[in-house]
Amino acid sequence: DTGVSQDPRHKITKRGQNVTFRCDPISEHNRLYWYRQTLGQGPEFLTYFQNEAQLEKSRLLSDRFSAERPKGSFSTLEIQRTEQGDSAMYLCASSRQDYSGNTIYFGEGSWLTVV
Amino acid sequence: AQSVSQHNHHVILSEAASLELGCNYSYGGTVNLFWYVQYPGQHLQLLLKYFSGDPLVKGIKGFEAEFIKSKFSFNLRKPSVQWSDTAEYFCAVIAFSGGYNKLIFGAGTRLAVHP
Repeated sequence: DTGVSQDPRHKITKRGQNVTFRCDPISEHNRLYWYRQTLGQGPEFLTYFQNEAQLEKSRLLSDRFSAERPKGSFSTLEIQRTEQGDSAMYLCASSRQDYSGNTIYFGEGSWLTVV
Repeated sequence: AQSVSQHNHHVILSEAASLELGCNYSYGGTVNLFWYVQYPGQHLQLLLKYFSGDPLVKGIKGFEAEFIKSKFSFNLRKPSVQWSDTAEYFCAVIAFSGGYNKLIFGAGTRLAVHP
């Protein structure tokens, strides 16, 4: 099955360190999304790519966060100088707009714990 | 700003009971509507979706949802729940407004089904 895959699945890091997450979307999906989910909350939108272009960024995405999708395929989300408040599940999703709408499929997420 | 409200944060039912989870959204234009489920330790999975046409949509595992445009609602139903339905359920909306194309989630409803 070529679903959305994310790596690593779990990451524990010390405050102040940088971390990077990778997402491989479903093949042929031109849209890629990053969300963040904390316990007891629904996923919150972070950013969205159509092909390699980053079309929208949430205000949640501070200057310490950067996302790229250099060739319109996989994407990376980097968090610099991590803070304890960054501890969350980082979800990647992908979709392909078709005539019937836009169904978004999610990966299993990358858990980040900042200690 | 667009938002999604799920009225019940926690629901506890016995097996064979009927289920209805409320979802309301705030946006007056064209929307795509979704229910996602997250089983313990697993990733978000699509239960069902509404793009257009028949406002009563059927999804996997016996779930259905009804889109009532006048009430801005998309409630999830199941006539008889099973223990295996224990999970967290998220309502989500894509609101189309120019380039506005992201999936907005509600806070989720935790369902516990007792045998």
